[in-house]
Amino acid sequence: GQSLEQPSEVTAVEGAIVQINCTYQTSGFYGLSWYQQHDGGAPTFLSYNALDGLEETGRFSSFLSRSDSYGYLLLQELQMKDSASYFCAVSGRGFQKLVFGTGTRLLVSP
Amino acid sequence: GAGVSQTPSNKVTEKGKYVELRCDPISGHTALYWYRQSLGQGPEFLIYFQGTGAADDSGLPNDRFFAVRPEGSVSTLKIQRTERGDSAMYLCASSQGRTSGRGNEQFFGPGTRLTVL
Repeated sequence: GQSLEQPSEVTAVEGAIVQINCTYQTSGFYGLSWYQQHDGGAPTFLSYNALDGLEETGRFSSFLSRSDSYGYLLLQELQMKDSASYFCAVSGRGFQKLVFGTGTRLLVSP
Repeated sequence: GAGVSQTPSNKVTEKGKYVELRCDPISGHTALYWYRQSLGQGPEFLIYFQGTGAADDSGLPNDRFFAVRPEGSVSTLKIQRTERGDSAMYLCASSQGRTSGRGNEQFFGPGTRLTVL
């Protein structure tokens, strides 16, 4: 089977840095994605890692260690609008499905 | 351009009834996915189409669930003899399968919230 573990909730203040961890157990792993979902909204793509290391996209960075089956999403210069749920998801090669974690709810306070 | 659209946005039905949920993917996206999301959980895969054919239906929970994509664009998820446990947000996503740096980035629609009374 496949399983992904994330912390259920993280709180931080505006301007801070927060890291959301994801550990996974899966077969046929090809890459790790991160999606953001605001309450009542659709999941939207944030980042993707297929190789070990750090990928940076503006205020968001994502890291992957394939040998440790571990990744994280790093959010810098937090803003109130970053309050949302964040999901890691594993995928196989090509068009295959995403298998999502249970999600981490991020609460950013003033 | 237009994103993924889903209709209806909300559907309330009674136990035992039949429902159809529609998804219009982004034009040109060959891959289409259905997921189900319960409150406080991540999206759970149901079925994936590549063109008109179901490439992976391993997530369909039982034979009450069926999906079609007859012309390789719009898809309909059909649920027979609905049960209260079917209540959830049903999400559709489409993809063009780019692998350059963004993996299989999927674009999600706003979902259909199904409530079975």
